[in-house]
Amino acid sequence: DAGVIQSPRHEVTEMGQEVTLRCKPISGHNSLFWYRQTMMRGLELLIYFNNNVPIDDSGMPEDRFSAKMPNASFSTLKIQPSEPRDSAVYFCASRPLAGEGGEQFFGPGTRLTVL
Amino acid sequence: AQSVSQHNHHVILSEAASLELGCNYSYGGTVNLFWYVQYPGQHLQLLLKYFSGDPLVKGIKGFEAEFIKSKFSFNLRKPSVQWSDTAEYFCAVNSGGGADGLTFGKGTHLIIQP
Repeated sequence: DAGVIQSPRHEVTEMGQEVTLRCKPISGHNSLFWYRQTMMRGLELLIYFNNNVPIDDSGMPEDRFSAKMPNASFSTLKIQPSEPRDSAVYFCASRPLAGEGGEQFFGPGTRLTVL
Repeated sequence: AQSVSQHNHHVILSEAASLELGCNYSYGGTVNLFWYVQYPGQHLQLLLKYFSGDPLVKGIKGFEAEFIKSKFSFNLRKPSVQWSDTAEYFCAVNSGGGADGLTFGKGTHLIIQP
C-alpha cells in the first residue's frame, strides 16, 4: 500500500509564478482533501472532493487558488500567481466514502516557498 | 462552525512522566474526534479516534483519550512518556456523518527530555 502520494515534496518559486501541486489518493478512496499548514494559522482545510466532485471550497483563500480532480486517482492544487504569503506546507488526504467515521490518511506534504 | 482549542502550545516533560494534553471543541451536533501526531519531518498519523460507543478510546503507542460530552472535551493521555514521543500533536473534529473535512486545533509541541 503506497499511501497518499504528493509531488513535488519541495517547491521553491518566485512571486508571480504559477505553482501546481499534485496528489494521488489511496486506491479505492473516493474522498480527497487539501489542507494548508502554516505557523500562524495551523492546519486549515482548503477544499475537498467526493467522487471527483468539489463539495466544499469555502477554505480556498482567494481566486488565485484552484483545485481539480479529473479522475479518481489524481488531483491538483494550482496557485496562479503565487505570492510569498502562500508559503506553507500543503497536505493532501484521502478516505473512503463508506465506512465508519471520518479517518483521513495524509500524504507527506509539499513544502512551498515563494520568494 | 466547528472550532477546536488546544490549550497547551508547548509542553516539556521528562521521560516516564505522565502526559495529558487538553482539547476542547465547539460544535452543536454529533461529532467525530481525532488525535493526530506529526513526528519531526514526517506526515500526520492517526493516534486514535472516537466515533461512538465507549468514550474511553485507546490508540497506538500506549495513548488513550476520553470523550466527555458535557465538557466538550477529548483530552489525550499517556501514563509514561518516552523520548520518541517528541512530536506535534493535533486534535481534530468533523461532523457526525464523517464525510466532511477536519477542523484542527493549533497543535501542541511536545518535547520529552531524556
